[in-house]
Amino acid sequence: KAGVTQTPRYLIKTRGQQVTLSCSPISGHRSVSWYQQTPGQGLQFLFEYFSETQRNKGNFPGRFSGRQFSNSRSEMNVSTLELGDSALYLCASSGEKTQYFGPGTRLLVL
Amino acid sequence: GQQLNQSPQSMFIQEGEDVSMNCTSSSIFNTWLWYKQDPGEGPVLLIALYKAGELTSNGRLTAQFGITRKDSFLNISASIPSDVGIYFCAGKETSGSRLTFGEGTQLTVNP
Repeated sequence: KAGVTQTPRYLIKTRGQQVTLSCSPISGHRSVSWYQQTPGQGLQFLFEYFSETQRNKGNFPGRFSGRQFSNSRSEMNVSTLELGDSALYLCASSGEKTQYFGPGTRLLVL
Repeated sequence: GQQLNQSPQSMFIQEGEDVSMNCTSSSIFNTWLWYKQDPGEGPVLLIALYKAGELTSNGRLTAQFGITRKDSFLNISASIPSDVGIYFCAGKETSGSRLTFGEGTQLTVNP
C-alpha cells in the first residue's frame, strides 16, 4: 500500500501571496487531517476532512482553508501569506484507529 | 484547551543505554500514539495504544497507556545510533481524528 503523499515538498512564497498544498491519503482512508509544525508552537492541528466535509477545525485564522475531493485527496490553501506562516505542513491519513503522516511540505514565506 | 506535557525535552545517552520518556495530559484521551520524526520528514508511527493499562511492544520499544488515561510512557531499550530523532506523544479523543501533540523529546545517542 502506498503511503501518504504530499506535494510539493518545498515551496517559497512572498508575503501577501497565496499557496495551495496537496495531500493524497492512503488508499481506503477517508479522513485527512492537516497540521502545522513550527519550532515555537510545535505540531498544531489545522482541520480534518472526512467524506468531503470538514469535521473538525483548529484555532487558526480564516486565511487557512481546506477541502476534500470525492477520491479523498485533500488540499489546503493559505491566503495572504504572512512571515509567520513559514512552517512544515503535515497531512495525516486516518484509518479506523490511527493516523499516518506524509513527509510534509516545507513552506518558506519571504 | 488540552495540553500535553512531554518530558524530558532532550536526552543525551550512550549507545546501549535504555531510555524512558513520558507524557501527561490535563484531560482524558482514548488513544495514545507515539511517533518519531527525523529532520525534514513527517512523523512515523511507532506504537499505538487503545486501552487504559495497555502495554505494547514494537521491537526494542515499549509503551504503556496510563490507568488514569491521562498519561503514557515510552521506553527504548539498548539504544542504537539510528534511534536519534525527536519523539512525540499524541493523544486522541473518541470522535474525529484530531491529535494533540506533546512538545517532543530530542534524543541523541553517542556511539
